[in-house]
Amino acid sequence: NAGVTQTPKFQVLKTGQSMTLQCAQDMNHEYMSWYRQDPGMGLRLIHYSVGAGITDQGEVPNGYNVSRSTTEDFPLRLLSAAPSQTSVYFCASRPGQGYGYTFGSGTRLTVV
Amino acid sequence: AQSVAQPEDQVNVAEGNPLTVKCTYSVSGNPYLFWYVQYPNRGLQFLLKYITGDNLVKGSYGFEAEFNKSQTSFHLKKPSALVSDSALYFCAVRDIDSSASKIIFGSGTRLSIRP
Repeated sequence: NAGVTQTPKFQVLKTGQSMTLQCAQDMNHEYMSWYRQDPGMGLRLIHYSVGAGITDQGEVPNGYNVSRSTTEDFPLRLLSAAPSQTSVYFCASRPGQGYGYTFGSGTRLTVV
Repeated sequence: AQSVAQPEDQVNVAEGNPLTVKCTYSVSGNPYLFWYVQYPNRGLQFLLKYITGDNLVKGSYGFEAEFNKSQTSFHLKKPSALVSDSALYFCAVRDIDSSASKIIFGSGTRLSIRP
């Protein structure tokens, strides 16, 4: 199994540009989440989903949109990139409430 | 609101000695608790979880964690550290009595094992 696949692995954006970070899982997990990792701040939850068609905001949702049209895919959209969004982004999925996450390998985003 | 704290940015231990990485949490109800490990330039890997039952849970790579409800803590432990245990460790919590199904992570603790 591929697990959780994130693309791209690296991206440089100019301020104001938009882009979509892709996330796909092949484990039929209902729960999916997006986190950003910044030095000294750990992982902060951006958005999450408990199933196809259902999404909710996390701790730091501003500037990001998500949708969940299928169980497999959970893309994260940056609407208008800002330098404050420079970070490493991780997508994760889990089968249900009492289970641990399987993480993707991350996308390193730099906004200049 | 749920939160989790890892009070130590870094823990240094000699190989062969026991190690402890501390975690405290705050939830309005009962918690699900998790530990993850991150090696350089990698995603996080699940180590262990506490859902219910025995307060001492065992996980991958010889790690274990003790749930203490009165102290709202979930410290990660290992009896004998290995150099290969050097990594970044994250504690995470889910409030099972909350309608929001989100897991919140701590800021991480860097574990360094010296030979």
